[in-house]
Amino acid sequence: EDQVTQSPEALRLQEGESSSLNCSYTVSGLRGLFWYRQDPGKGPEFLFTLYSAGEEKEKERLKATLTKKESFLHITAPKPEDSATYLCAVQAPGNYGQNFVFGPGTRLSVLP
Amino acid sequence: DTEVTQTPKHLVMGMTNKKSLKCEQHMGHRAMYWYKQKAKKPPELMFVYSYEKLSINESVPSRFSPECPNSSLLNLHLHALQPEDSALYLCASSQVTALGETQYFGPGTRLLVL
Repeated sequence: EDQVTQSPEALRLQEGESSSLNCSYTVSGLRGLFWYRQDPGKGPEFLFTLYSAGEEKEKERLKATLTKKESFLHITAPKPEDSATYLCAVQAPGNYGQNFVFGPGTRLSVLP
Repeated sequence: DTEVTQTPKHLVMGMTNKKSLKCEQHMGHRAMYWYKQKAKKPPELMFVYSYEKLSINESVPSRFSPECPNSSLLNLHLHALQPEDSALYLCASSQVTALGETQYFGPGTRLLVL
């Protein structure tokens, strides 16, 4: 069964204190790994898609990396506006939403 | 442009009411989705439409009735809901490419059932 776990469940950082969020997955034939940011009461905002081990993508203070078993979302010098829940999702082979599994999320709080 | 729009933003309804949620995208995506999300939980898939046909129904109660009038629009008709159906309802769309498939989400409709 395809599974996604995320750690830590919650993370508090001081502004400027860099850290990493982890997404571990077990899936047969990964088609893609996705990172989303979600603010309270809002829809998930797409951040990155990673397709193969070794791939890296960056956007502002965020950098996502992928290995065969996990992905990391590195946050460099975070600001209070980076506070949100970060969701990881994976997709196994299948079409249009099949085998698309979300992790439980990491709630990030960045204190000024 | 990767925008999915949803209306209304908020909805309060009684258990005997009938209401509808609407979703629209103009990205040419041929798959659209309804998700339900409870507080501090990840989104749960409800329905998938691909090429305007229902392809996945994740054992959702019949009081939720999806409709896809065309490739840009998706509705979710609600009837005789229960208080436990109160949640954030999310619409998403996606397109399969040679690299894979990414889902883009709308802002959601916050539903409260009294």
